[in-house]
Order: sequence, then C-alpha cells, then structure tokens
Amino acid sequence: AQSVTQPDIHITVSEGASLELRCNYSYGATPYLFWYVQSPGQGLQLLLKYFSGDTLVQGIKGFEAEFKRSQSSFNLRKPSVHWSDAAEYFCAVGANSGGYQKVTFGTGTKLQVIP
Amino acid sequence: KAGVTQTPRYLIKTRGQQVTLSCSPISGHRSVSWYQQTPGQGLQFLFEYFSETQRNKGNFPGRFSGRQFSNSRSEMNVSTLELGDSALYLCASSLGDRGFSSPLHFGNGTRLTVT
Repeated sequence: AQSVTQPDIHITVSEGASLELRCNYSYGATPYLFWYVQSPGQGLQLLLKYFSGDTLVQGIKGFEAEFKRSQSSFNLRKPSVHWSDAAEYFCAVGANSGGYQKVTFGTGTKLQVIP
Repeated sequence: KAGVTQTPRYLIKTRGQQVTLSCSPISGHRSVSWYQQTPGQGLQFLFEYFSETQRNKGNFPGRFSGRQFSNSRSEMNVSTLELGDSALYLCASSLGDRGFSSPLHFGNGTRLTVT
C-alpha cells in the first residue's frame, strides 16, 4: 500500500525567503504525485501534479516541485515566499490499488510566514 | 464555473444523533469523494461515488454511509454520532473517468461538532 510522509509538521519562514517543504512517498511503481494547499477555513486547492516526464514541475502561485525517484521524494519549493502563502500544505500520492485508484494524503505541513 | 458546494458549513450535534451532509460537485463532474479531516489523523478517505455507485470505500465503520443522485450531487450520513466524529468533512469532485489526469476539486467542507 502506498504512503506519504511529510516530516515537518510546522515551518516558519520570513517573507521573501525561499521555501522547501519535504515529502517522501512509498509505492512500488511510479506514482502520481500531487501538492495541495489549504487556507484556513477552506478546502484543498491543487498546486501541481507529477505523472511522468520532466521531473521538475511547475504549479500555480510560483510553486514548483521536483520528483526524485532515487530518494522517493517530491519536495515543494518556492524561491520567495509571500505572506499570503501562509497555509497548510499537503502532499498526496495516487496509485492503483486493488483495482481502483486511491489518493493518499500526507499529514500536512503548516507554513507560517513572518514579516 | 461554480466550484464544489458543501452544505451546511457548520453543524453541532449531540452524541447518538444522526447527521446528513450535502455536496454539489462541479458541473460535469461525475465522481464525488468524501474525506474526514482531523488534527490527529489528517485526511482520511471515506468513500467515492461515481455515476450513483459507490466505487471505493475507506476503513470507516458502517455508521458512515453515502449516496449519489442522478445529478451527481452526493450526501453523506453519519448515524449514532460519537464524540470522535467531530471533524471537518471535505467533499471533492472530479471527472472520474480519466484517472489521475482529472484531479480532485475540493469544497470548503462542513465542520461537524459532536457534543
């Protein structure tokens, strides 16, 4: 069964600083990987996804993520964080399991941005 | 295009009662998935409906049930409420017939509090 680990529960960065959120997955084959963001009181919004091809994927709001098969990682990055990026970020893996498609979410990383 | 709409936004119920939550997917989306989000467990998959049929199911007790109507709207029911059922319940819709190429679109959730 697939699983997702986000080792950092909470991260604080200064506005304008760079950001990297870590995500490690466990799955036997090449997974479908996603990053979602959840602002307070709202649902999740898709930032970006990786299926195949170029291992560096670009998403919305200036985010990017890099798939590294050797490390089973799919870390999310942003070169310069804005105060509006404060939210909770979820990494997710999609895989075919038992004949159907299943999306498993990590436990999330809460991002705090300080001025 | 209107997003995923969940009603009500907030609910307060007493132990032992039952509750019904509603989800209207994005127009044209035939798949509706339900997730339970709690601080301790993160996002847990409840079930998915596609064209009025339950296609996938998570590891929740039978007190949690759902259905989907011909217009793709979905309802989720929880009977004999327990304190531990207090959570944010998220609904997500997708086209449902293109695998992971059709990502999940989430509603803002229903916050259920059981007292």
